Amino acid sequence: NAGVMQNPRHLVRRRGQEARLRCSPMKGHSHVYWYRQLPEEGLKFMVYLQKENIIDESGMPKERFSAEFPKEGPSILRIQQVVRGDSAAYFCASSPRQGSINEKLFFGSGTQLSVL
Amino acid sequence: AQTVTQSQPEMSVQEAETVTLSCTYDTSENNYYLFWYKQPPSRQMILVIRQEAYKQQNATENRFSVNFQKAAKSFSLKISDSQLGDTAMYFCAFMKRRATGSYQLTFGKGTKLSVIP
Repeated sequence: NAGVMQNPRHLVRRRGQEARLRCSPMKGHSHVYWYRQLPEEGLKFMVYLQKENIIDESGMPKERFSAEFPKEGPSILRIQQVVRGDSAAYFCASSPRQGSINEKLFFGSGTQLSVL
Repeated sequence: AQTVTQSQPEMSVQEAETVTLSCTYDTSENNYYLFWYKQPPSRQMILVIRQEAYKQQNATENRFSVNFQKAAKSFSLKISDSQLGDTAMYFCAFMKRRATGSYQLTFGKGTKLSVIP
């Protein structure tokens, strides 16, 4: 049973380009969280999704950032018109179902986004 | 809003010795959960130990144990018999259930632990 898979592991973009980060949750998991880790910081919550629904996007910047988790395929975090301040490690975590604190969050290894 | 504070940016310990990492948090909630995560250079976030706030007994996982002081809002991690593989960033995290039904983790800034041979 593969863990949470994120790709690419490293992504380099120039200012103004788009970045697309992919997350495949663990098999059987239908809930996905995205977190961002800035240099020298802990992870910060961005968005929580289940299949085809955004449940909580209170941590998402209002502009340029969007997330989806379609019925088929991975969850996508999309950053349009990237700026240098978007450079960070972006982590995905998955859980089997909503609202169960007894379920551990399983984290992927993150995507390191570097904006030149 | 919850805040999590780790006051030790870096620490080092001799192999086989014991080290304690500090964490304090601020919340008005009564029901919540606390975690310690380990992040080695591979960047993988690995759950080390978790504590339910309603439990008075301190959690233990092999060489890892916590000292949970609810009234003081303190949650320290003790690593016994330190091993070279324990070298990593350690993050303290707080979790509570939001009105949306999601469980969000709030992380501290981390403590970089180096185990010296």
